Amino acid sequence: AQSVTQLGSHVSVSEGALVLLRCNYSSSVPPYLFWYVQYPNQGLQLLLKYTTGATLVKGINGFEAEFKKSETSFHLTKPSAHMSDAAEYFCAVSDVTSYDKVIFGPGTSLSVIP
Amino acid sequence: GAVVSQHPSWVICKSGTSVKIECRSLDFQATTMFWYRQFPKQSLMLMATSNEGSKATYEQGVEKDKFLINHASLTLSTLTVTSAHPEDSSFYICSARPKGGVKLYEQYFGPGTRLTVT
Repeated sequence: AQSVTQLGSHVSVSEGALVLLRCNYSSSVPPYLFWYVQYPNQGLQLLLKYTTGATLVKGINGFEAEFKKSETSFHLTKPSAHMSDAAEYFCAVSDVTSYDKVIFGPGTSLSVIP
Repeated sequence: GAVVSQHPSWVICKSGTSVKIECRSLDFQATTMFWYRQFPKQSLMLMATSNEGSKATYEQGVEKDKFLINHASLTLSTLTVTSAHPEDSSFYICSARPKGGVKLYEQYFGPGTRLTVT
C-alpha cells in the first residue's frame, strides 16, 4: 500500500533561515507528488507538484521541491523563511492505481520565530 | 479561477440531528468531487468520491448511511451527516475536479466546514 511520511510533525525556524520540510513516500511505481499548505481553519492550497520532467520544481511563495527517485523523497525547501510561512504543510502522492485520488501525509506544522 | 466554496463555514448542532454541508464549484463544472475529514492536528482522510449523476464511492470504514453524499449537478455536491454524534465533530473539506480536465490529479479545495456536535 502507498504511504507518505513526513519527518517532524513540527518544525521551527528563525525568520530568514532556510526552511526544509521532509517527505518520503512508498510506492510500487513513481507517483505524482504534491505539497499543499493549510492556514488555520482554511482549506488547502497547492504549493507545487511533480508529475514528469524536471525533478526540481518551483512553486508559489518561493518554495521548491526536488524529486529524488533513488531516495523516494520529495523534500520542500525555501531559502528564507517569512513570518507568513507559518502554517501546516502536507506532502501528498497520487494513488497510482487510479491517479485520481490523493493520499496525504500526516503534515508538518511550521513555526517561524521572529 | 477554480474557486470552490463550502457552506456553512462552521456549524454547531445537537446530538441526534442531521446537518448538511454544501460544496460548490463557482467558476467551473466539476464531474468529480471529493469529501475529506480532518481531525485536529491530523491529516486529511478521504471519505468518499462523488461523480455527478451517480452514487458516491465510499472509502473503507466510512458509513455510507451516516454520511450521505449527493452530487446532483456539475457545480454542487452535498454531504449530510445524519444523526450526528460528538465523535462526528471534525473539519470537513471538499475538493472538486474540473470537467474535461486531462489531469486526473487536478483538484481544487474548498475552505472547509467546522462541525461541532454537542
